[in-house]
Amino acid sequence: DQQVKQNSPSLSVQEGRISILNCDYTNSMFDYFLWYKKYPAEGPTFLISISSIKDKNEDGRFTVFLNKSAKHLSLHIVPSQPGDSAVYFCAASVGFLAGNNRKLIWGLGTSLAVNP
Amino acid sequence: EAGVTQFPSHSVIEKGQTVTLRCDPISGHDNLYWYRRVMGKEIKFLLHFVKESKQDESGMPNNRFLAERTGGTYSTLKVQPAELEDSGVYFCASSQDLFDLGGAWNTEAFFGQGTRLTVV
Repeated sequence: DQQVKQNSPSLSVQEGRISILNCDYTNSMFDYFLWYKKYPAEGPTFLISISSIKDKNEDGRFTVFLNKSAKHLSLHIVPSQPGDSAVYFCAASVGFLAGNNRKLIWGLGTSLAVNP
Repeated sequence: EAGVTQFPSHSVIEKGQTVTLRCDPISGHDNLYWYRRVMGKEIKFLLHFVKESKQDESGMPNNRFLAERTGGTYSTLKVQPAELEDSGVYFCASSQDLFDLGGAWNTEAFFGQGTRLTVV
């Protein structure tokens, strides 16, 4: 049973518009969430993270929102650029911040296409 | 600075054979992780080394898989004997945990490009 779910396999947006990628989780013990970006034939690249004590984290064009009551997080990319076209993975962990656990549980990924 | 490198990039072997995957982490990174992505499924954690010690090997599928990290540097993942269901992309990642002044861990993990293993 998947603990981290990315229900949209793909998303297509126009350049300059906002991209919103969603992620739902079932394990209420998760205390750290990460987004990774992956280009074909490359490994995942860390993008942004958020701990469960926060509800928002922002880094340039990327913002992650966490709604613990809904067990939902989202990644906003504004404005979207063609170079953002990639597969985006949501991942989560229990005990990450305490240094006890580095095991990440991953979603299936969402393929984002940003059209010029 | 060199990133995480994995060898080989591709491997095709017959069922029953042995394959050894290698990962060279970023120099100075104490943490090394192995992950696997089977086609159509999510990336799954296999194990975590801290230096030469196995911190967490709860994701290793079975005893056909053996991971080592000699001297806390590079790591190998051996599959012996390989089965069809072992096919997938094996990723290695490394990180150097830094506890910053804000009281948070800076634990960004850097991934290698992966080894695509095909068992036929």
